[in-house]
Amino acid sequence: DTEVTQTPKHLVMGMTNKKSLKCEQHMGHRAMYWYKQKAKKPPELMFVYSYEKLSINESVPSRFSPECPNSSLLNLHLHALQPEDSALYLCASSQVGQGETWAGAEDTQYFGPGTRLTVL
Amino acid sequence: QKEVEQDPGPLSVPEGAIVSLNCTYSNSAFQYFMWYRQYSRKGPELLMYTYSSGNKEDGRFTAQVDKSSKYISLFIRDSQPSDSATYLCAMSGTGGGADGLTFGKGTHLIIQP
Repeated sequence: DTEVTQTPKHLVMGMTNKKSLKCEQHMGHRAMYWYKQKAKKPPELMFVYSYEKLSINESVPSRFSPECPNSSLLNLHLHALQPEDSALYLCASSQVGQGETWAGAEDTQYFGPGTRLTVL
Repeated sequence: QKEVEQDPGPLSVPEGAIVSLNCTYSNSAFQYFMWYRQYSRKGPELLMYTYSSGNKEDGRFTAQVDKSSKYISLFIRDSQPSDSATYLCAMSGTGGGADGLTFGKGTHLIIQP
């Protein structure tokens, strides 16, 4: 089973709102990711958590705040977003943590269905 | 020059045709190559995963890697309308995903009934 779940599926928020996106995986994966995807573009990496610690922050504005409460759960807190932040937000997970080597079966990033965010 | 080049299409073919999708790359450190399928407004779904050069087959899908030419391909046999989607190639230098994936732009594929 390679399922990553995300809630909500859709979110509409105003520029002054605070909201959160949630991601869960129960595969025992050690790394979890947030991506932003605009229409007709590939996913753009935002954050990487490895063993529940933030390991990569791709210079994302502070209005996006990630949190990893435990090994299965990843949140993205949103505050004071801009209309240009409207996009599909994808969560992904992978078996191997950052810097680890993996000699087992294929391992790569498995994506959730995404949250479609609209900022008014 | 971008690290990964992929023709965005759209590529339109009749049902039953063989489809060939391709990516070229410049970073010789890439060793792991993936193809993801993404339906409109959905998350990418892993289709194929290959390590180093060679072929891998899974049902109607065949992934091919030629590291000497820095060229990867995905072939779809007996294409179906349900194969209509965007196909993203992705690659990395390490086996796990946590050191980052580099994506192509994605090719929008349309299979005409």
